[in-house]
Amino acid sequence: KQEVTQIPAALSVPEGENLVLNCSFTDSAIYNLQWFRQDPGKGLTSLLLIQSSQREQTSGRLNASLDKSSGRSTLYIAASQPGDSATYLCAVIGGNEKLTFGTGTRLTIIP
Amino acid sequence: GAVVSQHPSRVICKSGTSVKIECRSLDFQATTMFWYRQFPKQSLMLMATSNEGSKATYEQGVEKDKFLINHASLTLSTLTVTSAHPEDSSFYICSAGQGTREQYFGPGTRLTVT
Repeated sequence: KQEVTQIPAALSVPEGENLVLNCSFTDSAIYNLQWFRQDPGKGLTSLLLIQSSQREQTSGRLNASLDKSSGRSTLYIAASQPGDSATYLCAVIGGNEKLTFGTGTRLTIIP
Repeated sequence: GAVVSQHPSRVICKSGTSVKIECRSLDFQATTMFWYRQFPKQSLMLMATSNEGSKATYEQGVEKDKFLINHASLTLSTLTVTSAHPEDSSFYICSAGQGTREQYFGPGTRLTVT
């Protein structure tokens, strides 16, 4: 059974700093990995999707990497802003086409 | 990206009543739709997978007679919480896929059972 873990569970950083969120998964047989953000009481916003054959994806200040063999992904956020404050979730899709979500990292950017 | 809507966004119902939540893919045909629930400060848990025209596949521990799922068309799936109880209060989120293994999520429905 696939298990996805995110570390840390919560993170607070001053505005302007760069930061890294971590995601690990136990079964490396995945099709893709996706990073989402979720604002309190809201649905999910897809940030980046990395296919299993890719090693990274970039969108603006966000960069996600994938090391499938070691079961790890990171989400790098450059020049953090207060608007980046949210919960960040990573999720993987395996052969059964089901998304398995991580435990989430609650990020707070301090103005 | 693809757009998925949910209705209602919030619903309050009395214990013992049934509530229906709709999930629609607005600009694409969804071969598969997924239903998740999320408790406060927890991650999403998959409840069931539904394919158009066939019965839903429920995850272990999810009561299929309590959470009725209908996927009548390629753009609409419904989740009916029957005989709701306060412990069913949760945030319910649907997603839709086209078989490309990318899912598009709806905005969620907050259910409160009093």
